[in-house]
Amino acid sequence: GQQLNQSPQSMFIQEGEDVSMNCTSSSIFNTWLWYKQDPGEGPVLLIALYKAGELTSNGRLTAQFGITRKDSFLNISASIPSDVGIYFCAGRGGGSNYKLTFGKGTLLTVNP
Amino acid sequence: NAGVTQTPKFQVLKTGQSMTLQCAQDMNHEYMSWYRQDPGMGLRLIHYSVGAGITDQGEVPNGYNVSRSTTEDFPLRLLSAAPSQTSVYFCASSHRSRREGRLWTGELFFGEGSRLTVL
Repeated sequence: GQQLNQSPQSMFIQEGEDVSMNCTSSSIFNTWLWYKQDPGEGPVLLIALYKAGELTSNGRLTAQFGITRKDSFLNISASIPSDVGIYFCAGRGGGSNYKLTFGKGTLLTVNP
Repeated sequence: NAGVTQTPKFQVLKTGQSMTLQCAQDMNHEYMSWYRQDPGMGLRLIHYSVGAGITDQGEVPNGYNVSRSTTEDFPLRLLSAAPSQTSVYFCASSHRSRREGRLWTGELFFGEGSRLTVL
């Protein structure tokens, strides 16, 4: 099946720093999504990308759909303590595919 | 709106016991799904449904059954629990497509999770 390689696995940063994480795949995806999971809760959608090359922002978050359709990145600017959590990338293949493939997650810790 | 509601939040089973994890959504979503989350493994799709009466297998379906008799409910059944099924289970739902003719977007709404331990 399709697999996503998400990196880094974890990050420890100081408040105010910028963060970058990415996902790569050996398969082409038609949709890339980024989710955040707070401790003890379910994931919440942050950004959805539907076109190769698309760059989308949501507040301090910016994500891009790679031009090859095989990668995506998420940047967080000026991190704050509430950014702590696990960030997941997810991709959807082509056709009428109703399956999402998730990366293994990036655990972000922000030191105040 | 309550969104996606999962029950129970915590459950401990003995090997061989059966149980059902309940999932209900009040957003009139056609698509519903079950994922399991294990340390270092991310989220893996167990089963999904694109409408009442329609279900299909995901990545890790063995040991689990589902049915979809109504739009609102999508229960996950473990017929004979095994220690390998110890995990956190998430139900997620979405509209089938953003608008008529558009493909499924994958924009999921997740429940808060059900933590299952099988001894």
